[in-house]
Amino acid sequence: EVQLLESGGGLVQPGGSLRLSCAASGFTFNSYAMSWVRQAPGKGLEWVSTISGSGSATYYAYSVKGRFTISRDNSKNTLYLQMNSLRAEDTAVYFCAKDQDVRVAATGDYFDYWGQGTLVTVSS
Amino acid sequence: DIQMTQSPSSLSASVGDRVTITCRASQRISSNLNWYQRKPGKAPKLLIYGASNLQSGVPSRFSGSGSGTDFTLTISSLQPEDFATYYCQQSHITPMWTFGQGTKLEIK
Repeated sequence: EVQLLESGGGLVQPGGSLRLSCAASGFTFNSYAMSWVRQAPGKGLEWVSTISGSGSATYYAYSVKGRFTISRDNSKNTLYLQMNSLRAEDTAVYFCAKDQDVRVAATGDYFDYWGQGTLVTVSS
Repeated sequence: DIQMTQSPSSLSASVGDRVTITCRASQRISSNLNWYQRKPGKAPKLLIYGASNLQSGVPSRFSGSGSGTDFTLTISSLQPEDFATYYCQQSHITPMWTFGQGTKLEIK
């Protein structure tokens, strides 16, 4: 059974940093791209970032590029999101999601498993 | 970016009703459209991929259709566990996935 468990959320001041983790199990972790998706309070889902199975390719939404860094440790089956220069508008529940396709960012790719999310609140 | 617009934004229905949710893309996306269900405090769940393919384990009362710019998600007979928010997602331009704003399905 595929399981994704996020951690690391919390309250942080504007301009601060936070690192999220996602522990994965139940599938061959290093074979699949992984992504972060967020949902701000009262808003819809927003794709944030994706990393290839090997970790060699990374992609970011314009809203976080230059501030967030996605990474993975395939020896620990863990995905990370380092968030710097946080803003109030980054307040959201952050989900990790498994890409269905073994090819990163392939046309038609979708997220077949998601974690339950971790809440990040940016406020003074 | 491709903009995805869902309608309605909210919907009240009763158990046993047939419900249809619409998603429109700002440009043609072939059949690269997916549907997710989101319940408060729970992980989003994939329902439909490739516009009309039912994800394994999803009840057959869920179905999807459409191609190009217009898509629908239909629930043939609403069950109590189906009351949730539903999101469409385009996967035509990746990795710049975009989602619709959501349709909240409530009990009448």
